[in-house]
Amino acid sequence: GNSVTQMEGPVTLSEEAFLTINCTYTATGYPSLFWYVQYPGEGLQLLLKATKADDKGSNKGFEATYRKETTSFHLEKGSVQVSDSAVYFCALLNQAGTALIFGKGTTLSVSS
Amino acid sequence: NAGVTQTPKFRILKIGQSMTLQCTQDMNHNYMYWYRQDPGMGLKLIYYSVGAGITDKGEVPNGYNVSRSTTEDFPLRLELAAPSQTSVYFCASSTTSGRPGSAKNIQYFGAGTRLSVL
Repeated sequence: GNSVTQMEGPVTLSEEAFLTINCTYTATGYPSLFWYVQYPGEGLQLLLKATKADDKGSNKGFEATYRKETTSFHLEKGSVQVSDSAVYFCALLNQAGTALIFGKGTTLSVSS
Repeated sequence: NAGVTQTPKFRILKIGQSMTLQCTQDMNHNYMYWYRQDPGMGLKLIYYSVGAGITDKGEVPNGYNVSRSTTEDFPLRLELAAPSQTSVYFCASSTTSGRPGSAKNIQYFGAGTRLSVL
């Protein structure tokens, strides 16, 4: 079946550090992939997406590339800010297009 | 533009009580979803709906019921609350998903309802 595996958190970084959050998936076919972000006390917001192999999603300085050969969709940012502190979820869309399958989430804490 | 609105934000129930979590969207989306988020876990799909009058079970439907009488509203009903239903509940909506692999199914989430069953 479909599943998403994210690196365990929490991830603690200083401001301006480089961020990588690993995400790998298991799925039938080539699902659309997403990163969602959840700020404290809020719902999930779409951060970026990719729909086919080698696509790169990007938004707010974050990037992730759809790697079919490694079934991965790692999230990266070159220089994090305190305001990036949040929980990040990797997700895939099931083949029927009816549901998102989420990873467990990775908590990022950035200090100044 | 309100997007997806959930009420209430917080609720405490006693075991065996019932309640309805409300969800409304003003984006004219066909698809709506209910997820639950347990501590340290990702979201799990409870029920979803592809349009008014049509609902289907997700991964964890037991103990819940839904209805979809209008495009805008998708309430979630707990009939006999149990401690295992203590969680944060999120409603989401999206446009018609299109074919698999399509980017159309971007889900928009409400702010959540934090429910404790004691």
